[in-house]
Amino acid sequence: DAGVIQSPRHEVTEMGQEVTLRCKPISGHNSLFWYRQTMMRGLELLIYFNNNVPIDDSGMPEDRFSAKMPNASFSTLKIQPSEPRDSAVYFCASSGQGWGYTFGSGTRLTVV
Amino acid sequence: TQLLEQSPQFLSIQEGENLTVYCNSSSVFSSLQWYRQEPGEGPVLLVTVVTGGEVKKLKRLTFQFGDARKDSSLHITAAQPGDTGLYLCAGEPGYSTLTFGKGTMLLVSP
Repeated sequence: DAGVIQSPRHEVTEMGQEVTLRCKPISGHNSLFWYRQTMMRGLELLIYFNNNVPIDDSGMPEDRFSAKMPNASFSTLKIQPSEPRDSAVYFCASSGQGWGYTFGSGTRLTVV
Repeated sequence: TQLLEQSPQFLSIQEGENLTVYCNSSSVFSSLQWYRQEPGEGPVLLVTVVTGGEVKKLKRLTFQFGDARKDSSLHITAAQPGDTGLYLCAGEPGYSTLTFGKGTMLLVSP
């Protein structure tokens, strides 16, 4: 099993540009989560999907952030327009019937 | 928001020492999980505790869930440099999503 796959691993972009982060969950897992990690705030849940349906997006900072899960094997997190304060490591995680989440290796986003 | 406080924030010790890190909340959790995160990687699940008072052992790591299911501790015996990392606790208040603490950064020097 390849685990949760995220791309890109690193992204550097200019303020105002659109950024798209991608995630492939573990096959058979029915829940997918997007988290953001910073030194100040730790790991924060942005949004989670169950069976491809967004269940809770209350953690999405503002309208500049959007997430989609068009099928069970793919999800995207888009930021448009990006701002320097969006700089963080973004993690995707998936879970199945058992306990625990499996995290991807993250995307380190730097907005300059 | 279910808040999880972890202490200490940072811990630097020598190889062979014992240590305990704590995870506390004023809220009750249906389960609590511990993860370890290494630089440049995502958190990796170490253990899940479900029952109040439960103790689980994973080699040199001992995890305990408080009787009231509001707190947990992680004890490492004879720490090794390979134990270095960020230790995160995460609570599941009901049967929904996980809330994470900010973590304890552990550095074990040879």
